[in-house]
Amino acid sequence: DSGVTQTPKHLITATGQRVTLRCSPRSGDLSVYWYQQSLDQGLQFLIQYYNGEERAKGNILERFSAQQFPDLHSELNLSSLELGDSALYFCASSPGASGGVTDTQYFGPGTRLTVL
Amino acid sequence: AQSVTQLGSHVSVSEGALVLLRCNYSSSVPPYLFWYVQYPNQGLQLLLKYTSAATLVKGINGFEAEFKKSETSFHLTKPSAHMSDAAEYFCAVSAGSGNTGKLIFGQGTTLQVKP
Repeated sequence: DSGVTQTPKHLITATGQRVTLRCSPRSGDLSVYWYQQSLDQGLQFLIQYYNGEERAKGNILERFSAQQFPDLHSELNLSSLELGDSALYFCASSPGASGGVTDTQYFGPGTRLTVL
Repeated sequence: AQSVTQLGSHVSVSEGALVLLRCNYSSSVPPYLFWYVQYPNQGLQLLLKYTSAATLVKGINGFEAEFKKSETSFHLTKPSAHMSDAAEYFCAVSAGSGNTGKLIFGQGTTLQVKP
């Protein structure tokens, strides 16, 4: 158990809908990362937050947004869903005290999103 | 831009045999490199990381990796495979600057261990 929790574990929805994925980092970790894992794209970095502020952005679609709240939990919002958004979405956390470049990232179990 | 390439999407070994999973990186700056393992229906777990200290890095579960700058490689090895090592393995490079931890992952290598 990494100490990172993600809810829900599975999510099935229809095209055009909007969903919210939730992540609680390990106690004391200030950085939260979101990754998408799909068969065709592999594991891709989406976005990083550090202590409530956006720190780095990857290939995140405009239909996707994220935020980190004062209690450090994070949410990833996916809207206008398409079939191609079906994937496993991972949240990871790290202490982030040094910024993160050498940090170990601890991954949650993921949320499996299926768009029908 | 930084990237990693994992050679071989599937590797099959017999129990007790040497495990060698290959990773080559591309980076314009000194890289920080990681190996993660993913068991079925689970998240990723760190095996080991290279952060410019010793070039031979020892990790969990008997795995180790050697950073070779001249070959731009960071191959993962284990002297004797165990059935429980069957999983998917990912090599990654930290692609951020000093204050970001963005990881760029390779495509992954599935390790099969035969009895």
